[in-house]
Amino acid sequence: DTGVSQDPRHKITKRGQNVTFRCDPISEHNRLYWYRQTLGQGPEFLTYFQNEAQLEKSRLLSDRFSAERPKGSFSTLEIQRTEQGDSAMYLCASSNVGQSNQPQHFGDGTRLSIL
Amino acid sequence: AQKVTQAQTEISVVEKEDVTLDCVYETRDTTYYLFWYKQPPSGELVFLIRRNSFDEQNEISGRYSWNFQKSTSSFNFTITASQVVDSAVYFCALSEKGAGGTSYGKLTFGQGTILTVHP
Repeated sequence: DTGVSQDPRHKITKRGQNVTFRCDPISEHNRLYWYRQTLGQGPEFLTYFQNEAQLEKSRLLSDRFSAERPKGSFSTLEIQRTEQGDSAMYLCASSNVGQSNQPQHFGDGTRLSIL
Repeated sequence: AQKVTQAQTEISVVEKEDVTLDCVYETRDTTYYLFWYKQPPSGELVFLIRRNSFDEQNEISGRYSWNFQKSTSSFNFTITASQVVDSAVYFCALSEKGAGGTSYGKLTFGQGTILTVHP
């Protein structure tokens, strides 16, 4: 059973550039979540999908952020026109929601640094 | 709105000491889940335990134990006979019903407690 996989592990980019991250959940998991974690803080929820449907978005998710899960498997998170404040660790998690609510399992994250 | 407070920012202990990490939560829901996650220096969040709001029975798993008290909205975590490998950031989290009353969705995390266990 492979875990949640995120790519890339690190991304360094200049302010104003667009970036895209990918998350591959655990294969049988139907839920996929995105969180953001800044230094010294707990993860903050961004959005989540059940299969391909995006069920909830946080107010933190500005218009510059967009997430997709087109086939209900992997997901992408895109940030357009990056700003200094976007520097953070972006975490993906997945779980299986069915007869029982399974806990979320997290990937290693993508660390974004904006120059 | 839901909220999780971990009042202890950092705790430092010597190996073999017992240590308790505090967690207090706020929610308007009557049904919810509580969680503890561990984040070692490597960075990956590791699931430790989940507790349903209807189940106030305390749980023990090896050196770990959890005390859930609904009356005080607390879900505290105790490590007995701590070890250097326990050094990590520990997060308490809360999950309520998701959007549109769907099954449990997002996690709301506390700010975390940095635990350092010295040899």
